[in-house]
Amino acid sequence: NAGVTQTPKFQVLKTGQSMTLQCAQDMNHEYMSWYRQDPGMGLRLIHYSVGAGITDQGEVPNGYNVSRSTTEDFPLRLLSAAPSQTSVYFCASSYDGNEQFFGPGTRLTVL
Amino acid sequence: AQKVTQAQTEISVVEKEDVTLDCVYETRDTTYYLFWYKQPPSGELVFLIRRNSFDEQNEISGRYSWNFQKSTSSFNFTITASQVVDSAVYFCALSEGDSGNTPLVFGKGTRLSVIA
Repeated sequence: NAGVTQTPKFQVLKTGQSMTLQCAQDMNHEYMSWYRQDPGMGLRLIHYSVGAGITDQGEVPNGYNVSRSTTEDFPLRLLSAAPSQTSVYFCASSYDGNEQFFGPGTRLTVL
Repeated sequence: AQKVTQAQTEISVVEKEDVTLDCVYETRDTTYYLFWYKQPPSGELVFLIRRNSFDEQNEISGRYSWNFQKSTSSFNFTITASQVVDSAVYFCALSEGDSGNTPLVFGKGTRLSVIA
């Protein structure tokens, strides 16, 4: 199993550009989520999904969209990037809550 | 509302010292799960432990041990005989509900530096 994969690993955007952060898991996990990590802030939940076709907002959803058309994939879309979205983004998945498996992260810089 | 507080922002110890990382949580649920994750300098998040609210037994895994006390809403983490490889940021997290399969609320983390 590849576990949770995230692409790209690094990305630089200009203000106003859009992009999609990809997240995929091959463990047949129903639950997936996106977090952002900022210095001194820990990890904060952006969006999450409890299964295909079901998504919900977390603590900091503004400026981000998600969809879950398959169990495996949970992409995060930035519609119009802003410098405040400069962060490290982690995707996670879980089956029964024993452990949330995290991807390696995407480091995003918005200029 | 759920909340996790890690009051220690940074801790520095000399190798072989014992160190305890504090975690205090707030929740209105009677059923919940607590987690600890390690984030080494390489940046990935490494799962260390999951504990449900009905299991107050302390856990030991090698040099790591966890002390869960519902009376004080604390889930502290002790590293015995610390090593340089323990240098990392450690996060405590809370998940409400009876499955543990719900969003995690993280503390802000404690950066541990172990000096040789």
